[in-house]
Formats: sequence, structure tokens, C-alpha cells
Amino acid sequence: DAGVIQSPRHEVTEMGQEVTLRCKPISGHDYLFWYRQTMMRGLELLIYFNNNVPIDDSGMPEDRFSAKMPNASFSTLKIQPSEPRDSAVYFCASSLRDLARVLYTGELFFGEGSRLTVL
Amino acid sequence: AQKITQTQPGMFVQEKEAVTLDCTYDTSDPSYGLFWYKQPSSGEMIFLIYQGSYDQQNATEGRYSLNFQKARKSANLVISASQLGDSAMYFCAMREGNSGNTPLVFGKGTRLSVIA
Repeated sequence: DAGVIQSPRHEVTEMGQEVTLRCKPISGHDYLFWYRQTMMRGLELLIYFNNNVPIDDSGMPEDRFSAKMPNASFSTLKIQPSEPRDSAVYFCASSLRDLARVLYTGELFFGEGSRLTVL
Repeated sequence: AQKITQTQPGMFVQEKEAVTLDCTYDTSDPSYGLFWYKQPSSGEMIFLIYQGSYDQQNATEGRYSLNFQKARKSANLVISASQLGDSAMYFCAMREGNSGNTPLVFGKGTRLSVIA
């Protein structure tokens, strides 16, 4: 089975440019999360969706960041304009709410991340 | 206040020895879940083990076990018989509530180095 797929894996851009990161969650998963990882701040939640609807975007740093989930199989995280302090690894993760499972844990399945460098 | 505290930025362990990675958490919710993830140098996040707040027994998964001490609010990861491939960052995380899919809050991580 395919896992969470993120693209691009690496992106180098110049300050002021628009950056779009993409995520395809695991088929059938109904939750999608965007996290950002930096050395200083660790893993931070940016936003998460349930059934394509944004539930909590309080972690989005500022208006330059936006995220969409137009359908169950695709999400984007956009930064416009980008700044050097946005340099980080951005992870997408998905999960399935299935409380009927005997050993349900609700673990998050992560993509391989998109490493963004803004010069 | 930090929800998840991992006090060991880095740890070294000899191959084949056991190692304990510390994690303490802070919550007032009686229902919560605790997770450990491994992040090797390649960068992906790999789920290792889960402990629910109402679970009576400590979770185990192969060489991984979770030393859950509820009164002390600690959830330490124990890796037995360390292997060179265990060298990685390890993150403790928590989910509060019992809705099943609220986001995980992560600690800052511990870098484990296994020495031959």
C-alpha cells in the first residue's frame, strides 16, 4: 500500500517567491495534518483537516501561509511570499478515525517530508 | 508550559545493551495516548509504540517497551539489545482526549547513537 506522498522532497527558492508543497494522504484516511520541523522549535502543528475541512489552523505562523484540501486525496501548503525563516522540513501526516479497531491507537502516518530552503 | 519533555538531547549506548529514553508529559485530561516515533537520518517518521492512559499493562512491540508510570507522568521508551540501526532521533508525543484523532504534540527529541 502506498504511504503518504509528499512533493517536492527538496525545494530551494529565493526570498519572496511562492512555494507550494503537496501531499497525498493514505487512501481512506479522513484526517490530514501539516507539521513543520526545525532545530529550534522541533515539530510544530500548522493545521489539520477532517474530511477535507480545516479544523484548527491556529499553528499557521502568519498570513503568508495557507493550506487547502480540495478533495480527500490532495492537500497543499502554500507560502507566499517566502522568507528565510520559513526554511524547515514540512511533514504531512494522515490518520483514520476507526475506534472500532481492537487495537486502535490513532497513530499518524507521516510522509517523507519536504525540505524547504529559502535563500 | 511544555506538554512533552524529553530531557536527554543525546544518548550513547553500546551495541547489544539496553537503553532508556526519558519522556515526561503534562496533562489534566484523564484520557490521553502516548506515542514514540523514530526519525532516522533519512528523515521519515516511523511509529514505534503506543500507550493509552487507561491501559493496565506497559506496551511492548518487539525490542521496544514503554515504561508507563502514570502517577509520575512518565512514559520512557526502553530499547533492548540495541542495534546499529537504532541510531536515530526519537520523539515522544501525546494526544489528549479520547476523540481519537486530535493532533499529536511532540517533544524536542533525543538523539540516540549506538556504538559498535
